[in-house]
Amino acid sequence: QSALTQPRSVSGSPGQSVTISCTGSNSDVGNYNYVSWYQQHPGKAPKLMIYHVDKRPSGVPDRFSGSKSGNTASLTISGLQADDEADYYCCSYAGSYTYVFGTGTKVTVL
Amino acid sequence: EVQLVESGGGLVQPGGSLRLSCEASGFTFRTYWMSWVRQAPEEGLEWVANIKPDGSEEYYVDSVKGRFTISRDNTKNSLYLQMNSLRAEDTAAYYCARFGMVGTIDYWGRGTLVTVSS
Repeated sequence: QSALTQPRSVSGSPGQSVTISCTGSNSDVGNYNYVSWYQQHPGKAPKLMIYHVDKRPSGVPDRFSGSKSGNTASLTISGLQADDEADYYCCSYAGSYTYVFGTGTKVTVL
Repeated sequence: EVQLVESGGGLVQPGGSLRLSCEASGFTFRTYWMSWVRQAPEEGLEWVANIKPDGSEEYYVDSVKGRFTISRDNTKNSLYLQMNSLRAEDTAAYYCARFGMVGTIDYWGRGTLVTVSS
């Protein structure tokens, strides 16, 4: 049950794209398509942005997209906006009804 | 509108106990898996426990097994977390969360803070 590995921080200018990686193992990310991504603003509860690797809940802009290759999932934010500045966490099913989160990535809009 | 409202957090001494509650509304509570997720100060999220819709099965992260118990009362639309033998490293905001889509937490409460300190 080790946390998934994410970069500590990424940054970009308004309008640019940033990609956040989430690296796990054959026991979690690599074995299941139940990867989700959450946005968390300071002092707030997390918000679901992507589920099942690449699906967006209603209301989430299509600037947010997800993908997976092997043991690594990725979240891409296109057309970066000031309100995108937040912490982002990935989460994967890890078998036997257990889950593991990523270490978290701070996105900074320059 | 889905709402999850936690309560029961506070300051407790090491070795002590605390019971968290989560009141759910806006959806058919008895048909959803539920979960507790925690976040230590300035740290990341950590899944803590899950419970099946009928309460018949529970699952835990290794670090809380034998100390924490998740439970629910579907007649009261409520989720609970009984925490015993608390340690300093259990200090965190505890979030009540709903599993909407398969394998996905889709709604979160605002959290309740638990501080374990002497």
